Amino acid sequence: GAVVSQHPSWVICKSGTSVKIECRSLDFQATTMFWYRQFPKQSLMLMATSNEGSKATYEQGVEKDKFLINHASLTLSTLTVTSAHPEDSSFYICSAVTSGVTDTQYFGPGTRLTVL
Amino acid sequence: GQQLNQSPQSMFIQEGEDVSMNCTSSSIFNTWLWYKQDPGEGPVLLIALYKAGELTSNGRLTAQFGITRKDSFLNISASIPSDVGIYFCAGRLRGRYGGSQGNLIFGKGTKLSVKP
Repeated sequence: GAVVSQHPSWVICKSGTSVKIECRSLDFQATTMFWYRQFPKQSLMLMATSNEGSKATYEQGVEKDKFLINHASLTLSTLTVTSAHPEDSSFYICSAVTSGVTDTQYFGPGTRLTVL
Repeated sequence: GQQLNQSPQSMFIQEGEDVSMNCTSSSIFNTWLWYKQDPGEGPVLLIALYKAGELTSNGRLTAQFGITRKDSFLNISASIPSDVGIYFCAGRLRGRYGGSQGNLIFGKGTKLSVKP
């Protein structure tokens, strides 16, 4: 149980384009999902917290207009990197918590974004 | 912000050896989680700890929630080659009234490699 998927697993795009990444909880309902960014050889950096049916909460320094988050259902959250630039190239990972057990996060497999 | 000090940063293992790593903080935690991350993949939850003093095993892995609530360790017994990877500790802070507060805080990771 507690499986989280992400799509796509990797994406290469041109500078200036927008990229959408999906995060799904496959076998449970996730009232809260999280989006992280991870640079090589570093730990995970929380970007935002996504709650179903409400606006995402962004961490300090993360541009909400650049990284659009939508959590339309209890099993799906999307992260859209708008007008991507090479510095946005990174490994993006989502995680989800099961309802009622909010202290344990399950992570997706990650999405490698490369902006040319 | 709050920090978790995870050590060692890296270590080399020989097959069959026991491995130990830990996380410490000056703050009090309600939850300790241990994850393993393989290259290009998301973190996989190994063990979750919810009570001070709790000792939990998952196969050859054993983790404990420190009695002071400020630390946790992870032991791997009789290591095998597939144990290589990066291990992260993560925790949620204990709030003033005993509940959890804030988001998961991550350690910087312990990289396990095979001895040449």
